[in-house]
Amino acid sequence: DAGITQSPRHKVTETGTPVTLRCHQTENHRYMYWYRQDPGHGLRLIHYSYGVKDTDKGEVSDGYSVSRSKTEDFLLTLESATSSQTSVYFCAIASGIDYGYTFGSGTRLTVV
Amino acid sequence: SQQGEEDPQALSIQEGENATMNCSYKTSINNLQWYRQNSGRGLVHLILIRSNEREKHSGRLRVTLDTSKKSSSLLITASRAADTASYFCATDAAYGNKLVFGAGTILRVKS
Repeated sequence: DAGITQSPRHKVTETGTPVTLRCHQTENHRYMYWYRQDPGHGLRLIHYSYGVKDTDKGEVSDGYSVSRSKTEDFLLTLESATSSQTSVYFCAIASGIDYGYTFGSGTRLTVV
Repeated sequence: SQQGEEDPQALSIQEGENATMNCSYKTSINNLQWYRQNSGRGLVHLILIRSNEREKHSGRLRVTLDTSKKSSSLLITASRAADTASYFCATDAAYGNKLVFGAGTILRVKS
């Protein structure tokens, strides 16, 4: 999607290894979000950021950490991957709380 | 927890028919949004309706909001095969700058 890219698009990793997913935006938006999508659950918020170095937890934050050292990058780290973290991860950006989100194309992560 | 719950879970219609999806939520909101997701893709923002609005239109889309019933509906008129997708409602739940999504409605439009 224009203005937001996620990398990698696909990843297979082993249980217990750390994994970092990257979200990069060129829109200079203040807000950035990480969601995971699983069948039957819709999208669930993991962490979000409302500015550089300002982050907060979402609904399903256990086992995940984030960092935002620059406006354009929001990193999601799985500290020690587990099979329950197999999912599709979406990053989203927004310019304000009364605006729609723009989503990335997603990262499909498989933990074996 | 899901703030928004869509109904029905799945809907199959013929091309040219109208499709209606409903969303119910639990707490007061500032706004409610609808998104579309094509298979294997990210979500695309369709429309936002604020809590002080009752109806909003965008092309073939019509969204209504009833805050007294904590519910919203999305109507797609004259549906096309290209409308086949999952549709999600999302609310900000009046407590901040993050959206909570429902589980979605899968719409299939048969040509």
